[in-house]
Amino acid sequence: KAGVTQTPRYLIKTRGQQVTLSCSPISGHRSVSWYQQTPGQGLQFLFEYFSETQRNKGNFPGRFSGRQFSNSRSEMNVSTLELGDSALYLCASSLSLNYGYTFGSGTRLTVV
Amino acid sequence: GESVGLHLPTLSVQEGDNSIINCAYSNSASDYFIWYKQESGKGPQFIIDIRSNMDKRQGQRVTVLLNKTVKHLSLQIAATQPGDSAVYFCAEKTGTGNQFYFGTGTSLTVIP
Repeated sequence: KAGVTQTPRYLIKTRGQQVTLSCSPISGHRSVSWYQQTPGQGLQFLFEYFSETQRNKGNFPGRFSGRQFSNSRSEMNVSTLELGDSALYLCASSLSLNYGYTFGSGTRLTVV
Repeated sequence: GESVGLHLPTLSVQEGDNSIINCAYSNSASDYFIWYKQESGKGPQFIIDIRSNMDKRQGQRVTVLLNKTVKHLSLQIAATQPGDSAVYFCAEKTGTGNQFYFGTGTSLTVIP
């Protein structure tokens, strides 16, 4: 059974640009969540989707957005990139609500 | 906001010894807790979970203890092996949805 797949694995962008990250959850998993991981802040919740609906959103500026498609695949977008957006972005999927996650390996974003 | 903290940022143990990693959480309404292991370059990996209606749960070589009175969670690893070297995170969830709050992590080093 394939795990959670995130693409790309590594990305380098320039300040001011925008970026789109992709996540394919485990087959059958309908809940997808995104986290930002940095050495200083640890794992910070970005948003959670279930059946194409955003159920929860973390305390991030509006430059961070996401969506989920009918096949449960999800994308997150960051516009007007700042140096502080450099981080590991992790996607996690779950069979349903109130279950633990399976994480992907993440996308390492570097903003220069 | 939520606060999930760890007592020790680093822990070194001899191979074969037992390890105990501790975690304090702040929200008494949290009802679901998970321990994750993260190795370098990988996403967090689910180890074991426990719901608030339990105070102990055992897995293969791992045991999670939950003390709701003092809002404390611990992970015990029996016969620690070099492959257990990683950063360990506790995560808590409150209510519906799948938004978890993660602790800052404890780095476990197993000395051969």
